[in-house]
Amino acid sequence: KAGVTQTPRYLIKTRGQQVTLSCSPISGHRSVSWYQQTPGQGLQFLFEYFSETQRNKGNFPGRFSGRQFSNSRSEMNVSTLELGDSALYLCASSPGLAGDTQYFGPGTRLTVL
Amino acid sequence: DQQVKQNSPSLSVQEGRISILNCDYTNSMFDYFLWYKKYPAEGPTFLISISSIKDKNEDGRFTVFLNKSAKHLSLHIVPSQPGDSAVYFCAATGNTGGFKTIFGAGTRLFVKA
Repeated sequence: KAGVTQTPRYLIKTRGQQVTLSCSPISGHRSVSWYQQTPGQGLQFLFEYFSETQRNKGNFPGRFSGRQFSNSRSEMNVSTLELGDSALYLCASSPGLAGDTQYFGPGTRLTVL
Repeated sequence: DQQVKQNSPSLSVQEGRISILNCDYTNSMFDYFLWYKKYPAEGPTFLISISSIKDKNEDGRFTVFLNKSAKHLSLHIVPSQPGDSAVYFCAATGNTGGFKTIFGAGTRLFVKA
């Protein structure tokens, strides 16, 4: 099976702009979770989608949003970018049951100037 | 509120010796714990997990120990190899009000040849 893919791999934006990141899960996986990784902070949970519904949400401002399509592909959007949004954004897919192992993509490195 | 804590940002071990990575958690509702390994420029990959009904799980050179009363788990790698040099994330999940997985900040392991 193909692994989790994320596009683009690298992105440079300026403050105030918006960005959309894409994630294609492993075939058959219905759950997609998004994480933000910054140095010293580990992986901060953003949100999780299952069957096109947001099932859980982390403690991020409303500028961070996402959606999931019927084919389980997911997008994450960040509006009004701030310098502090510079991070590695990771997407993970799983079959969708609690405790399932998550399979991560390589991430999108976002730099906000 | 960090529910999963990895208090050692880094650990250096000689090749062939034991590596012990520690993790503490605060939420007693967690019932499944996982360790992920991450190399630079790649997403985390699943390493080993343990259910809260067990106190030990072993897979080859990797063993995870869980002490529920202390809310503490550890990952033992024996013998350590240079290829084990990576960042190790402890994660926890359970019926905490959703299906999100909470990650620690990570411990960077250096295995010296």
